[in-house]
Amino acid sequence: GAGVSQTPSNKVTEKGKYVELRCDPISGHTALYWYRQSLGQGPEFLIYFQGTGAADDSGLPNDRFFAVRPEGSVSTLKIQRTERGDSAVYLCASRRTGEMNTGELFFGEGSRLTVL
Amino acid sequence: LAKTTQPISMDSYEGQEVNITCSHNNIATNDYITWYQQFPSQGPRFIIQGYKTKVTNEVASLFIPADRKSSTLSLPRVSLSDTAVYYCLVVRLTGGGNKLTFGTGTQLKVEL
Repeated sequence: GAGVSQTPSNKVTEKGKYVELRCDPISGHTALYWYRQSLGQGPEFLIYFQGTGAADDSGLPNDRFFAVRPEGSVSTLKIQRTERGDSAVYLCASRRTGEMNTGELFFGEGSRLTVL
Repeated sequence: LAKTTQPISMDSYEGQEVNITCSHNNIATNDYITWYQQFPSQGPRFIIQGYKTKVTNEVASLFIPADRKSSTLSLPRVSLSDTAVYYCLVVRLTGGGNKLTFGTGTQLKVEL
């Protein structure tokens, strides 16, 4: 597609449930980022992938959070045993790297997660 | 990467020029300065990027002094639709990618 696509746009779940959030980056973008944003705050870095590998996962808050990008394109953020504090907008962004690297992140519209 | 500091909020009126300054005292030689704009319920959107002196595009200008320890985003003749949060980031373009960290940003409110 033309832009970064995130699904679902909204997810309501109950405390303790498992959730998957999907990101489809811009074709050809090798770097993919996940951020979490709470109301009134800037996006909080979670993890970024360079190709299939997680180049930096230092932002993942705990071991309930995990992300994969098995084929170097689509990525899934997985949250186990959700807690009310996980409620936020989860943003995905992709970026060119290499010779065409401008540093510009292209963001999706986000997935709003609400844990009841 | 260098930490950035910018004002939490700014108010302006339609038609005025708005300047938002960001401090990045520990910027490294191969770091660039990048600004993003975010509207409610949307992801941030790239506005402009620069290394030194002045960069201008159809949306904004970016002024970077010789020591590069700060930068100023200039929005000419703002309108109500420029009400948004503006983020300053320091970006290192070498290598395959990096941990791009957003601060709390500057909430710009434009009124009639």
